[in-house]
Amino acid sequence: GESVGLHLPTLSVQEGDNSIINCAYSNSASDYFIWYKQESGKGPQFIIDIRSNMDKRQGQRVTVLLNKTVKHLSLQIAATQPGDSAVYFCAERGNNAGNMLTFGGGTRLMVKP
Amino acid sequence: DTEVTQTPKHLVMGMTNKKSLKCEQHMGHRAMYWYKQKAKKPPELMFVYSYEKLSINESVPSRFSPECPNSSLLNLHLHALQPEDSALYLCASSPAGTGGSKGYTFGSGTRLTVV
Repeated sequence: GESVGLHLPTLSVQEGDNSIINCAYSNSASDYFIWYKQESGKGPQFIIDIRSNMDKRQGQRVTVLLNKTVKHLSLQIAATQPGDSAVYFCAERGNNAGNMLTFGGGTRLMVKP
Repeated sequence: DTEVTQTPKHLVMGMTNKKSLKCEQHMGHRAMYWYKQKAKKPPELMFVYSYEKLSINESVPSRFSPECPNSSLLNLHLHALQPEDSALYLCASSPAGTGGSKGYTFGSGTRLTVV
């Protein structure tokens, strides 16, 4: 079946450094991708999204890159802060009638002060 | 109001109990979802409601029974659960159709423990 996965389960970075979290997806028909941040005991929080007709989108301190050729998605966080420590999930929406999101396996980001 | 509100935040129930989880949003979203999330795992889709009608049931056991009384409310009725059903249950909403962006908003979840 179709799936979304991540390469690194845990990423540890020094405060102030840049972070890159990666995600591989397999459904070439997916038209929309979202990165979520989930802190302990909370629901997923929207960070940034990108449509399949784009290859880059920037937000505040975050950038999402989409490479459709190799079905790869990444989240770049600039000047990582302790408050960025959380689990990050990528999610894809297949081009289906159900408007469903499928989540990747998650990467835990740990920021060292 | 840009939030999805879930109640209760925590629930402990016995295997013979009947309980309900509630979800509410006032963003005018016409699609609502239930997800189940086990520890250290991604959320897994259970049900999708579109315009108050059940559109997707991801082969969820009948001991979970969803209900969408109106466009703002989504319930999940629980009966005869098993300990392995213990998880974080997340509600989400989005604009119906595939045109929405930033539209998938999640609640904080209900932490369910079945004893």
